[in-house]
Amino acid sequence: ILNVEQSPQSLHVQEGDSTNFTCSFPSSNFYALHWYRWETAKSPEALFVMTLNGDEKKKGRISATLNTKEGYSYLYIKGSQPEDSATYLCALGGVYNFNKFYFGSGTKLNVKP
Amino acid sequence: NAGVTQTPKFQVLKTGQSMTLQCAQDMNHNSMYWYRQDPGMGLRLIYYSASEGTTDKGEVPNGYNVSRLNKREFSLRLESAAPSQTSVYFCASSSPGQTRSSYNSPLHFGNGTRLTVT
Repeated sequence: ILNVEQSPQSLHVQEGDSTNFTCSFPSSNFYALHWYRWETAKSPEALFVMTLNGDEKKKGRISATLNTKEGYSYLYIKGSQPEDSATYLCALGGVYNFNKFYFGSGTKLNVKP
Repeated sequence: NAGVTQTPKFQVLKTGQSMTLQCAQDMNHNSMYWYRQDPGMGLRLIYYSASEGTTDKGEVPNGYNVSRLNKREFSLRLESAAPSQTSVYFCASSSPGQTRSSYNSPLHFGNGTRLTVT
């Protein structure tokens, strides 16, 4: 079993604030890092899949970076909106087995209007 | 396009009862997965199927069995439910199969099944 850690566990910000959170993983045997957005009462939805050291991905106000050598990825949200409130999950893929993904426990973001 | 469909959405069982959770995907994906979600923990893999006709254990397979009936369907069976199996169960699928690039494809999740075992 592989340890994927996310911090902080929860975050409360005001509308308009920019925020970021971290996903940490063992840096050896890295293949892919996934970010998912999970709204309450819905299913997780993929945001980004990153495979290369130094990868940067962007979707609207949300972006992510990847450092495979030091074993972390950051997710940034610029100008948070109430609709950004969700749990953000990261998952490490391809370690030991091409089909297994190891999930962190998530960062729960609450954006207050 | 329905994506990944799970049934039922909710279920209450008594200890010792059995049940099957159904999952179907219409995206022609090779790989399918069953995860459970417990408070304070990440999604934990129960079983997965890299392609039709193959299944493999994940992190927490004890107390469960699976069947990959065809490419579309992947069911999870609890033969004798226990309170420790109270959880939210998610089925997921992704596109490649037994290739190195499987990890590049995002997972597509169903809406979950909330199971309570009393």
